[in-house]
Amino acid sequence: NAGVMQNPRHLVRRRGQEARLRCSPMKGHSHVYWYRQLPEEGLKFMVYLQKENIIDESGMPKERFSAEFPKEGPSILRIQQVVRGDSAAYFCASSLDRGNTEAFFGQGTRLTVV
Amino acid sequence: GESVGLHLPTLSVQEGDNSIINCAYSNSASDYFIWYKQESGKGPQFIIDIRSNMDKRQGQRVTVLLNKTVKHLSLQIAATQPGDSAVYFCAENMENYGQNFVFGPGTRLSVLP
Repeated sequence: NAGVMQNPRHLVRRRGQEARLRCSPMKGHSHVYWYRQLPEEGLKFMVYLQKENIIDESGMPKERFSAEFPKEGPSILRIQQVVRGDSAAYFCASSLDRGNTEAFFGQGTRLTVV
Repeated sequence: GESVGLHLPTLSVQEGDNSIINCAYSNSASDYFIWYKQESGKGPQFIIDIRSNMDKRQGQRVTVLLNKTVKHLSLQIAATQPGDSAVYFCAENMENYGQNFVFGPGTRLSVLP
């Protein structure tokens, strides 16, 4: 009965490289959400996906960032050509249904761009 | 844009005392609220939620109060324990808007021995 699993827990990338963050939702959950958190700040919504569909990407930067949630496998948050400003903790959450329901968070991936 | 904010960025309480963490929200259309607890190096952990048709909800040692008139939310922790030390976030959401919760900056709760 595993919770939301994110990997890797820590990721170091040089400027210009690509970062791929993975999120496996809780069993039976088909709704996935990505948030970004800077040190000592709250979580900022990035994107909301269901299986094979992006529902709301209003929080995603227009360039370099993309997300997917394929029919099989984990959700992927991809950051191309990373810059130092991308350094943050990225959290994934999943829920059973849309709307006013509890979302369970993973432990996050801490991305450091050097 | 509209946002959720917190009155106190840090709060220190004696072990055994009650803690009250406050949150102001500005979006009058928000109708669902969650309090999350985040320990260092971990993801947010659900504590308690409340919908706008309620003004109070109780859990185990925690109570959430909602005052829609002044758009204020509070989390009360009874008999605060060292394990309660963490950052607490309130988050707001509008019905049928998925999980685009707006999070506040958080309040750090420190429990003193």
